[in-house]
Amino acid sequence: ELKVEQNPLFLSMQEGKNYTIYCNYSTTSDRLYWYRQDPGKSLESLFVLLSNGAVKQEGRLMASLDTKARLSTLHITAAVHDLSATYFCAVDMTNNDMRFGAGTRLTVKP
Amino acid sequence: DAGVTQSPTHLIKTRGQHVTLRCSPISGHKSVSWYQQVLGQGPQFIFQYYEKEERGRGNFPDRFSARQFPNYSSELNVNALLLGDSALYLCASSLWNQPQHFGDGTRLSIL
Repeated sequence: ELKVEQNPLFLSMQEGKNYTIYCNYSTTSDRLYWYRQDPGKSLESLFVLLSNGAVKQEGRLMASLDTKARLSTLHITAAVHDLSATYFCAVDMTNNDMRFGAGTRLTVKP
Repeated sequence: DAGVTQSPTHLIKTRGQHVTLRCSPISGHKSVSWYQQVLGQGPQFIFQYYEKEERGRGNFPDRFSARQFPNYSSELNVNALLLGDSALYLCASSLWNQPQHFGDGTRLSIL
């Protein structure tokens, strides 16, 4: 049974600081997703990582994938309040059967 | 282009009742998946349909069923509702084996 573990589950940051969210998974997969979810809203796709060593950046967020270590990271640079949300990683088992982590609830404080 | 649309947006039911949730995929998408998201948790995979056939099923009881229609829209049915079925139900569509696009969800409350 695939397990997807995120940490931390809760993260409170000061604006301007950097931090990393970690996503570990327990079985082989070559496709990993990061999503953002605002309260009461659906999931917004942030990144799709398709191969070992993949790195993608959008604004203050950068995601990477190490398939050998079964680890993905989401790095936040110089956080701003607008980044406050819950962030999920999800591993594609096969054919769109995705397993999600529990989510990291990020709060960025002034 | 319209995204994934789900209806209704909110629903209140009582224990033991039955519910049907509906999803219209993005035009051209033949794959539809359903997820349950309980408050404070990540989405849990329920079903995937492609070309009107079930292609995947998560660890949910037989009270949960789904189907996909010739126009690729889909319904999720839940019988004998329990309090624990209260959740946000998300539908996602995609081309085969491509990234999924999520709808806004149906928030189901069981009293």
